[in-house]
Amino acid sequence: GAVVSQHPSWVICKSGTSVKIECRSLDFQATTMFWYRQFPKQSLMLMATSNEGSKATYEQGVEKDKFLINHASLTLSTLTVTSAHPEDSSFYICSAPKTSGRSPGELFFGEGSRLTVL
Amino acid sequence: QKEVEQNSGPLSVPEGAIASLNCTYSDRGSQSFFWYRQYSGKSPELIMSIYSNGDKEDGRFTAQLNKASQYVSLLIRDSQPSDSATYLCAVNQAGTALIFGKGTTLSVSS
Repeated sequence: GAVVSQHPSWVICKSGTSVKIECRSLDFQATTMFWYRQFPKQSLMLMATSNEGSKATYEQGVEKDKFLINHASLTLSTLTVTSAHPEDSSFYICSAPKTSGRSPGELFFGEGSRLTVL
Repeated sequence: QKEVEQNSGPLSVPEGAIASLNCTYSDRGSQSFFWYRQYSGKSPELIMSIYSNGDKEDGRFTAQLNKASQYVSLLIRDSQPSDSATYLCAVNQAGTALIFGKGTTLSVSS
């Protein structure tokens, strides 16, 4: 079963509104979560690293004031797209590092959230 | 800039054939190497992980790693139409985010 749960799986909103996407780790604690964005026929691009109890680290070119990340607990990270515009329409995917077993570097991925901004 | 390069394809193979997918990476410090499969509109799912030079086999899948050449490959034997998807190569160092290639689209015809 899923070990990282992401919600909502899809959302449609009007331009100028804000949308919050939640990412939860199930049955394990995630001090770090990674947020990716994927445009059609493109690869996954890392947006930011979410750190529990501290500020997120954003990749170059990602507006931190537009994409607000809150990692309030060891099992929950949220991404809020503020004042969304059509160009923000994309597939947003969160992930968390696997912390047990013998697969260093492996990430668990959420189901993804398809955002469409009208 | 850490980069992962893949041929975008599409790679077309007949059912039952071997599909060969290739990937190169720029960061010599990379420690972990992964192949993910992604269906349209879905999140990636892990196919193979490899950490040491050489081959690693799992069922119909074989991953190959050559750190000196900074090269990773995935072979799919006895390809099935259900294998048709986009295959993403990804690398990282332990504890860091995965860097993905653009993916290779595989089409297996019956």
